[in-house]
Amino acid sequence: AQSVTQPDIHITVSEGASLELRCNYSYGATPYLFWYVQSPGQGLQLLLKYFSGDTLVQGIKGFEAEFKRSQSSFNLRKPSVHWSDAAEYFCAVGAHGFQKLVFGTGTRLLVSP
Amino acid sequence: ETGVTQTPRHLVMGMTNKKSLKCEQHLGHNAMYWYKQSAKKPLELMFVYSLEERVENNSVPSRFSPECPNSSHLFLHLHTLQPEDSALYLCASSQGGRNEQFFGPGTRLTVL
Repeated sequence: AQSVTQPDIHITVSEGASLELRCNYSYGATPYLFWYVQSPGQGLQLLLKYFSGDTLVQGIKGFEAEFKRSQSSFNLRKPSVHWSDAAEYFCAVGAHGFQKLVFGTGTRLLVSP
Repeated sequence: ETGVTQTPRHLVMGMTNKKSLKCEQHLGHNAMYWYKQSAKKPLELMFVYSLEERVENNSVPSRFSPECPNSSHLFLHLHTLQPEDSALYLCASSQGGRNEQFFGPGTRLTVL
């Protein structure tokens, strides 16, 4: 069965600093991988996705993520964080040909001035 | 309307009430989902409908009853809920088996 681990519950980053959010997954084959963002009181918005091909994927709002098969990781990065990036971020893994997504517990990002 | 919409956005109900949550997707997708999001817990998948047929029911109590009358609409009928059912209920939709799901804004449910 698939599983996702986001080891950091909270992260605080200064505005303008770089960001990396960690995600490790467990799945027996090449997975579909996603990062979603959730602002308070809102639904989840898709930031980026990995299905196959280039292991460095670009998303919206200046985010990128790198799929590393050897480490079973799909970490999210942004070179310069803006105050509006403060939100909760969820990593998710899906199996090919099946519609079920498994989500991590999320990482809350706080941005300090 | 675009994307996935949910109504109502907020709902307060007593344990003896009956209410329904509504979800509508305007994306032409063929699969729809209900999730429960509680504080400090991972998103819990409740139900999956594919081509209007329920394909997954994750051991959800019978006080939650889903309905999918067509590929654009999904309902969650609620009755005799418990306070621990208070949560954000999220609806999502997707196309085919590529898992990319699009979420609605959610309904914040409070059970008194």
